Amino acid sequence: EAGVTQFPSHSVIEKGQTVTLRCDPISGHDNLYWYRRVMGKEIKFLLHFVKESKQDESGMPNNRFLAERTGGTYSTLKVQPAELEDSGVYFCASSQDLGYNEKLFFGSGTQLSVL
Amino acid sequence: AQSVTQLGSHVSVSEGALVLLRCNYSSSVPPYLFWYVQYPNQGLQLLLKYTTGATLVKGINGFEAEFKKSETSFHLTKPSAHMSDAAEYFCAVRPNTGNQFYFGTGTSLTVIP
Repeated sequence: EAGVTQFPSHSVIEKGQTVTLRCDPISGHDNLYWYRRVMGKEIKFLLHFVKESKQDESGMPNNRFLAERTGGTYSTLKVQPAELEDSGVYFCASSQDLGYNEKLFFGSGTQLSVL
Repeated sequence: AQSVTQLGSHVSVSEGALVLLRCNYSSSVPPYLFWYVQYPNQGLQLLLKYTTGATLVKGINGFEAEFKKSETSFHLTKPSAHMSDAAEYFCAVRPNTGNQFYFGTGTSLTVIP
């Protein structure tokens, strides 16, 4: 069974450009999360999808970030325009069930560098 | 708001020595507690978790952690370090309500031959 796949693994862009990150969750997983780790800091929650609906987007930094999950399968996270402070590793995770038995499966992340 | 503190961003141990990675959380109500490990170029993998029941939790690869409510701690231990344990370790909590995980800043473990 394929795990959570993220693309690209690395992205280097200039300030002001647009970048789109993609996440393919494990098939059948309704829950999809985006997290971000800025260098040296904790991994922070960005948002949570249940199928195609945004369940919780309280962690999105500002309106330069747009997440979508059309059809409830893969998700994209677009940053437009990118700023220097957006650099970091963006992780995607998926799970099948909510509740205390929820088990998150993480992708290997996208390393975003904004120059 | 929840917070997770991992003391020591870098820990080095000799092969065969005890591994102790510290984690403290802030919460008035005991949350669900987790340890994740990230090997180079891989995603985070669940090592172990505490939800209810026995406070000493055993995980994969010989790791275990003990939930101590009075100390708000969930330290990770392994009796004898192996070279393959070199990785970054993240402590995380999830409140009893909501689905958001709160992570610590991570501890990079180096195992010295």
